[in-house]
Amino acid sequence: TQLLEQSPQFLSIQEGENLTVYCNSSSVFSSLQWYRQEPGEGPVLLVTVVTGGEVKKLKRLTFQFGDARKDSSLHITAAQPGDTGLYLCAGSGENTDKLIFGTGTRLQVFP
Amino acid sequence: DVKVTQSSRYLVKRTGEKVFLECVQDMDHENMFWYRQDPGLGLRLIYFSYDVKMKEKGDIPEGYSVSREKKERFSLILESASTNQTSMYLCASSFFAVWVVNEAFFGQGTRLTVV
Repeated sequence: TQLLEQSPQFLSIQEGENLTVYCNSSSVFSSLQWYRQEPGEGPVLLVTVVTGGEVKKLKRLTFQFGDARKDSSLHITAAQPGDTGLYLCAGSGENTDKLIFGTGTRLQVFP
Repeated sequence: DVKVTQSSRYLVKRTGEKVFLECVQDMDHENMFWYRQDPGLGLRLIYFSYDVKMKEKGDIPEGYSVSREKKERFSLILESASTNQTSMYLCASSFFAVWVVNEAFFGQGTRLTVV
């Protein structure tokens, strides 16, 4: 079974602070995704990373895929209350579309 | 826009009942998924289907079965509901791709309570 562990589980910060969320596994993933989920809704895709070492930026969000394709990080610069939500990483193994999700990081940004 | 529709937002069932959760997608996606979501555990995969009548067990298939008779519809069946199956159930779909996983689109979820 492929497992994706996220840390921290909870994060509560003030507006303007920076933060990093980690997603780790002992398995290799062919690609990895980050989703954000708001209360009462299903998760929505933020980004997909495919190549080991890849870095992608989405406004104030920076995503990195580890060189060995076993881990990933999400860095938010100058967090805003609108960033509040549950952040989930998800990955699929080689030659399969079966998508496994991480344990989630719940972020609360206070004004 | 892709739409994934789950038949109920809220359900209350009694222990021992057979429960059907229905999911329909309108984008001709090959892949469909059923997850359950519990606090602190993220989304756990129950079953995955990559084609009509084709299915794979996820991480927690015990107590569940699935049916995919048509490409657009994926049903989750709780054969005999138990209180530990009280949870939020999320259905998702995506296009088939071998080399890189495609975006999964989710329904709004069914909150099931078993009493």
